[in-house]
Amino acid sequence: KQEVTQIPAALSVPEGENLVLNCSFTDSAIYNLQWFRQDPGKGLTSLLLIQSSQREQTSGRLNASLDKSSGRSTLYIAASQPGDSATYLCAAPGTTSGTYKYIFGTGTRLKVLA
Amino acid sequence: GAVVSQHPSRVICKSGTSVKIECRSLDFQATTMFWYRQFPKKSLMLMATSNEGSKATYEQGVEKDKFLINHASLTLSTLTVTSAHPEDSSFYICSARVGGTDQPQHFGDGTRLSIL
Repeated sequence: KQEVTQIPAALSVPEGENLVLNCSFTDSAIYNLQWFRQDPGKGLTSLLLIQSSQREQTSGRLNASLDKSSGRSTLYIAASQPGDSATYLCAAPGTTSGTYKYIFGTGTRLKVLA
Repeated sequence: GAVVSQHPSRVICKSGTSVKIECRSLDFQATTMFWYRQFPKKSLMLMATSNEGSKATYEQGVEKDKFLINHASLTLSTLTVTSAHPEDSSFYICSARVGGTDQPQHFGDGTRLSIL
């Protein structure tokens, strides 16, 4: 059974800092892993999708890495800005009762202070 | 690209009312659509998975007769909360995917449902 854990649960940093968000998953037999951003009261915005054959993906100031053997993914945010304040969720595929679906972590609530 | 529109964004209604939420993929044809529920400060819980033209697959513990899902076309899925009660109040989010499990899911902006 796939379980996804995100650490830390909350993070508050001054503007300009580089930071790392962590995601751990228990079942390494995954096709991919996806990182999302959620603003309060809003839906999810896809940030990065890493396929199982890839080790990392980059988009602007964001870099996500994937280490299947250790069951870990990290989201690196460079030069953080107040606009980066949001909840960041990772999702890894899992199978329960024969259904292949995304299992979401509980998220990291990020606050970047101006 | 890959825009998913969800409507309405917010609903407030009386107990006993049935509420329909629409999820549309605007610029792509979605092979599969997903419906999630999110409680305050909690993560997303998958309710059901639907493929166009076939019955939805519900997760364990989700009442099929309470949460009716219709996926009549490749661009539209609807979730109807029947005879809604205060405990059904929640944030409902849909997502859509083109192709297989190696493809990303694209999410709507969610619907805040409040039952009085």
